[in-house]
Amino acid sequence: SQTIHQWPATLVQPVGSPLSLECTVEGTSNPNLYWYRQAAGRGLQLLFYSVGIGQISSEVPQNLSASRPQDRQFILSSKKLLLSDSGFYLCAWSARGLWAFQETQYFGPGTRLLVL
Amino acid sequence: AQSVTQLGSHVSVSEGALVLLRCNYSSSVPPYLFWYVQYPNQGLQLLLKYTSAATLVKGINGFEAEFKKSETSFHLTKPSAHMSDAAEYFCAVTGRGSSNTGKLIFGQGTTLQVKP
Repeated sequence: SQTIHQWPATLVQPVGSPLSLECTVEGTSNPNLYWYRQAAGRGLQLLFYSVGIGQISSEVPQNLSASRPQDRQFILSSKKLLLSDSGFYLCAWSARGLWAFQETQYFGPGTRLLVL
Repeated sequence: AQSVTQLGSHVSVSEGALVLLRCNYSSSVPPYLFWYVQYPNQGLQLLLKYTSAATLVKGINGFEAEFKKSETSFHLTKPSAHMSDAAEYFCAVTGRGSSNTGKLIFGQGTTLQVKP
């Protein structure tokens, strides 16, 4: 069966510090990968998605970047954190089908980030 | 463009009572619709998914949802609430757009409280 891991579970960082959040998927190959952010009072918003190694698409302009160095690894980064980067970050995967919208997205446990 | 509106940010029911969580969507393409549940400090778990095969969709934990195209609705119901149903529920929509991203558009979420 497939599992998705995220770490760390919780992170408290000062403003201006760098960030690296990691997501890995087990039990599947060539998944589509997604980063969502859940901010207080703002619901869930797609930040990045990837259909393959090194292929990253950004949905919204922001202070964050994403990378996919391996097939089942997805990393969310920042060089300098802002207060507004605080939130709950969720990674998700879906199977690689003909049409991405037909595939169910499965979410990881999330990383709660607090920027002070 | 696609959007989702969840009516009622908080719903409170008594244990054993009917659960009704409302979701209305807007989509210019045939939609795929999802309900996810989120327990505190956890990721999202899929409850059910509508893919145009059948208008009444049965999910896990006794939940079901009915797709009504004329009303652009996809309300979530459960005949008898259990204390363990207390959580936040998200309705989401996706569909074939100009880019094959599988991007999920989420509603703002509804917190379900179950009273003993």
